Amino acid sequence: DADVTQTPRNRITKTGKRIMLECSQTKGHDRMYWYRQDPGLGLRLIYYSFDVKDINKGEISDGYSVSRQAQAKFSLSLESAIPNQTALYFCATSGRLAGGPQTDTQYFGPGTRLTVL
Amino acid sequence: SQKIEQNSEALNIQEGKTATLTCNYTNYSPAYLQWYRQDPGRGPVFLLLIRENEKEKRKERLKVTFDTTLKQSLFHITASQPADSATYLCALESDGGATNKLIFGTGTLLAVQP
Repeated sequence: DADVTQTPRNRITKTGKRIMLECSQTKGHDRMYWYRQDPGLGLRLIYYSFDVKDINKGEISDGYSVSRQAQAKFSLSLESAIPNQTALYFCATSGRLAGGPQTDTQYFGPGTRLTVL
Repeated sequence: SQKIEQNSEALNIQEGKTATLTCNYTNYSPAYLQWYRQDPGRGPVFLLLIRENEKEKRKERLKVTFDTTLKQSLFHITASQPADSATYLCALESDGGATNKLIFGTGTLLAVQP
């Protein structure tokens, strides 16, 4: 089974709709991230969370919000989707395994392809 | 602001040759640098991490160098195979080693011809 899962994998929606993308991990990591990827722009950080009570804005947080419901779950919401939010969205994890050492590697989910019409 | 540059053009090489990909950065001194592989429609997969006090790191057919004076990392794949064809992303730690926040380059597409 995959360590980092994302749902849905594909979503087509209309301008103005509220959308939630979900991420779950079984790696036991404390840190979770949301990125978007656009052709020619690479991966850009939207939000990140270092534990359930810690949420931080990334490079491009406008128009997005997040919720860390549990250590293993981190959701990204688009309150009112617009066409320029059409992109590939990735969730990633890193950090300290339960009772273990800190890791610097990030582990990515399979991505969600979002299209806003 | 921090800027990372990778070869924007695709790199085409013949099977068996060594592929060399470049990552240049400005305006920062990262505690470490990482390389990831990304296949179409999939999430990036970690390959190697090299720290600021390391000059070179190897893993099987992969080698990474890190020159903090030149602000450059080189990523080598020796004896390349068609299965190595993918986009390779360079990523810099961006917060003095405190938070594991990464800044990614746009990636270089490698195509290995049989």
